[in-house]
Amino acid sequence: QKEVEQDPGPLSVPEGAIVSLNCTYSNSAFQYFMWYRQYSRKGPELLMYTYSSGNKEDGRFTAQVDKSSKYISLFIRDSQPSDSATYLCASGSGAGGTSYGKLTFGQGTILTVHP
Amino acid sequence: DAGVIQSPRHEVTEMGQEVTLRCKPISGHDYLFWYRQTMMRGLELLIYFNNNVPIDDSGMPEDRFSAKMPNASFSTLKIQPSEPRDSAVYFCASSSRRGNTDTQYFGPGTRLTVL
Repeated sequence: QKEVEQDPGPLSVPEGAIVSLNCTYSNSAFQYFMWYRQYSRKGPELLMYTYSSGNKEDGRFTAQVDKSSKYISLFIRDSQPSDSATYLCASGSGAGGTSYGKLTFGQGTILTVHP
Repeated sequence: DAGVIQSPRHEVTEMGQEVTLRCKPISGHDYLFWYRQTMMRGLELLIYFNNNVPIDDSGMPEDRFSAKMPNASFSTLKIQPSEPRDSAVYFCASSSRRGNTDTQYFGPGTRLTVL
C-alpha cells in the first residue's frame, strides 16, 4: 500500500462546478499537507499548504485535512477551464534529521473543466 | 530568481547509451530532489541531497542510476546504460529549510525517451 493514495480520475466537470479532490494517507507522522497543480508538460507548482488538521482557504480554493481519518481534500469553487490540470496531493513529516524535506506524493488526479 | 533550471528539456537516445540530466537549484536552497514521473507510477522520489550530501537514495531503481551534487548550484542524474523502461519525465526540485516548510519548487523537467 502506498503511503499516499489518490484517485487518478480523470475527472471532467462543467465550468462553474464545485470540484472535490481527495487523498488518503497512512503515515501518522505526516504533519504537512500540500496540493500541487501541474499543467500539461510543466513541473508541479505549489497551490495550497496546510499544517496539521483544519481548513485553509485561498480564493476559490479550500484545503481540508482531517488527521483523525487521515483524509486530505481540495475543493475548487466556480471552476474555470484554466483550472484544467493534474492535481497532486503531498505529505511530509517535517521531522528532523533524514526525514526533513521529504514529501510523498499521490498519483495525481487529472481534472478537465469544460466551457 | 530564475527558478529551478533543468537541461536538456528533451532527450532521445538509444538503449545502452549513457544519459546525463542536469539541474541548477534555486540559489540559497539547501535541499535538492530528483523525481521521475510516469503515467503508471506517478511522481516517484529517486534521491535527495541536503547541503550537497545524499540523504536518501532508496528510490534509485538500480545501479544503472547515479546522482551527484558537486556544489550547491549543480547536480546531475546519470543513467548508464539506459533502457526503454527508463523513459519518463525527470524532475529536479529544491527547497530551503530556512522557510520552515517542506515546500519544494520544481523545474520544468527533462522528457527522456529511450528507444
